[in-house]
Amino acid sequence: NAGVTQTPKFRVLKTGQSMTLLCAQDMNHEYMYWYRQDPGMGLRLIHYSVGEGTTAKGEVPDGYNVSRLKKQNFLLGLESAAPSQTSVYFCASSYGEGNLLGDEQFFGPGTRLTVL
Amino acid sequence: GENVEQHPSTLSVQEGDSAVIKCTYSDSASNYFPWYKQELGKRPQLIIDIRSNVGEKKDQRIAVTLNKTAKHFSLHITETQPEDSAVYFCAAGEVDNFNKFYFGSGTKLNVKP
Repeated sequence: NAGVTQTPKFRVLKTGQSMTLLCAQDMNHEYMYWYRQDPGMGLRLIHYSVGEGTTAKGEVPDGYNVSRLKKQNFLLGLESAAPSQTSVYFCASSYGEGNLLGDEQFFGPGTRLTVL
Repeated sequence: GENVEQHPSTLSVQEGDSAVIKCTYSDSASNYFPWYKQELGKRPQLIIDIRSNVGEKKDQRIAVTLNKTAKHFSLHITETQPEDSAVYFCAAGEVDNFNKFYFGSGTKLNVKP
C-alpha cells in the first residue's frame, strides 16, 4: 500500500517549456487536490477533483490545467512554464463527503520544480 | 473565500516546556480544523484534527482547542522534545464542500535540548 505517490521528485524547466506532474493514490479516495508550497505562504490550492472525470479551480489556478481520467490518478499540467511557478508541488487525496473513515487529506512526497 | 492566519511564524522553546500555536479563520461555514506537521524536505502529516461540534481534543502530549464564536483555534504541545522540531500548519475546511482546506502560513518550532 504505497499511499499517495508523485512523479517526478525534481524537475528543472526553462521558461516556456511544458510539463506534466503525475499523482497516484491506491486508497480508493474520491477527492484529489493539487497544492503549491512557497516559503512563508503555507499551502495554496491550485485545482481539485471530486471524482473521476471532474475538476474544479482552487485559489491559484492560473497557468495550470488538470485532468482526472482515472480515479486513482490526478495530473497537473503547466503549458508554458514561468519563473513564478517555481515551487514545491504537493498532491493530496481524501475520502468523499460523509465517509466514516474521516476527512483527513493524505499528502504525497512532493515535486520540487524550478523554472529558469 | 476563507482566510486563515497563523501566529507566531517562529517559536523557540526549551525541551520540556510547552508550545502554543494560534490560528484564526474568517468563514463561519468552516467546520473541520486539522493540524499538520512537516519535517524538513518531507510531506505534511496530520497530527490532530477537530470538528466544529467539539471544543477540545487531546492525544497524548498534543491538544487542540476551538472557539467557534471567536473563530480561533490553537495547538498545544506539552513536554516538548527535540523531535517536535518542525513546521506546523493549521487549516480550516468545509467537509461538506468537497473538503477543501485553507492553510495558515506555518509556524517553525525549534525545541532546544
